[in-house]
Amino acid sequence: GENVGLHLPTLSVQEGDNSIINCAYSNSASDYFIWYKQESGKGPQFIIDIRSNMDKRQGQRVTVLLNKTVKHLSLQIAATQPGDSAVYFCAEIYEKLTFGTGTRLTIIP
Amino acid sequence: NAGVTQTPKFQVLKTGQSMTLQCAQDMNHNSMYWYRQDPGMGLRLIYYSASEGTTDKGEVPNGYNVSRLNKREFSLRLESAAPSQTSVYFCASSKDRGHEQYFGPGTRLTVT
Repeated sequence: GENVGLHLPTLSVQEGDNSIINCAYSNSASDYFIWYKQESGKGPQFIIDIRSNMDKRQGQRVTVLLNKTVKHLSLQIAATQPGDSAVYFCAEIYEKLTFGTGTRLTIIP
Repeated sequence: NAGVTQTPKFQVLKTGQSMTLQCAQDMNHNSMYWYRQDPGMGLRLIYYSASEGTTDKGEVPNGYNVSRLNKREFSLRLESAAPSQTSVYFCASSKDRGHEQYFGPGTRLTVT
């Protein structure tokens, strides 16, 4: 039968706190990683990326950490705001882009 | 630049009807993709076109066909719609397969 996929895991965070969203990737040869944000009713949007020769990259209120030893990627969002409510997808690239499952982030006022 | 555009935004079909979802990008990207996303789920790749003139199956191609009309346009066709094809369809493009993808706003399709 058709693969019906997996329901998204969820994370609830108090407004103003920091959020950490985790992602395990599968291919040790992947050399480029991206985090996407998908707001309700919209397509995924690029947030931040990191190359495999780095272990940390910072943007505006967001930081991505890469641990190649355990094939783990995380997205940290500082001082979470209501507008951060969305589904966050990680993606790994080695010759092609492969999406992770995604995490739904809910902000508690 | 408009980026990636999709038409229509919404569509309701009866079982057995056919339709074509249109997608265009103005970023001169080589690769284009069609995904479906069911409620509360992740993205599943239906078909992709690595470059103009080529198309390949993704994870869930059954019931769909695609056409890479030119470098800008990549259409998705449902020949005989089924209720299981009720979903939100996203088109995306990238410079090449190994680069970040840019997404359109989506088409919300309901098959009754």
